[in-house]
Amino acid sequence: DIQMTQSPSSLSVSVGDRVTITCRASQSISSSLNWYQQKPGKAPKVLISAASSLQSGVPSRFSGSGSGTDFTLTISSLQPEDFATYYCHQSYSTFWTFGQGTKVEIK
Amino acid sequence: EVQVVESGGGLVQPGGSLRLSCAASGFTFSSYWMHWVRQAPGKGLVWVSRINSDGSSTSYADSVKGRFTISRDNAKYTLYLQMNSLRADDTAVYYCAREVIVRGVSAMDVWGQGTTVTVSS
Repeated sequence: DIQMTQSPSSLSVSVGDRVTITCRASQSISSSLNWYQQKPGKAPKVLISAASSLQSGVPSRFSGSGSGTDFTLTISSLQPEDFATYYCHQSYSTFWTFGQGTKVEIK
Repeated sequence: EVQVVESGGGLVQPGGSLRLSCAASGFTFSSYWMHWVRQAPGKGLVWVSRINSDGSSTSYADSVKGRFTISRDNAKYTLYLQMNSLRADDTAVYYCAREVIVRGVSAMDVWGQGTTVTVSS
């Protein structure tokens, strides 16, 4: 299976901060990388598909980049509603895998 | 409104069985591949299984292969997950999700609220 490794596992930030989360795949996955946001007790919500395509309705402060094995999710100016856990997800192989998650907490 | 709603979770003893259902509405269910994803308490997301649009092809994570069976009834707009030989490590919230393709890449764009499965004696 393709292993997905996110960093950091958690980070404490303030409203207005720029946030960068990275995701590394154990082998090349081209651009088959998606990002999800999950708030406590809620289902995940897809933010970005195909590494950099913003899903409809997602604020433009979210952006994604990368290809091959290294990917980045950036939040340009963190808003109060952005405190959540973020997961990367590869859909390149038959057996899909997620990163372990990055929890974004209030400083 | 496009939505999926899971049901069928509960408390079951180790070795027992449970069938989860996922009722879809607001979209043409038979046109979409569907997935089950689970999340153990306090843990991350784990993909469990997929089924193609007409039910003729399925895939499973190694951890559930041979014990779980995914199926669908397109006439009833319903996805199922039959879970047998349940173990304590199957305890999780189980989500049903719709697959969509964006720029040639698959993602899951519609998720249910989840149904909780607890395996314990």
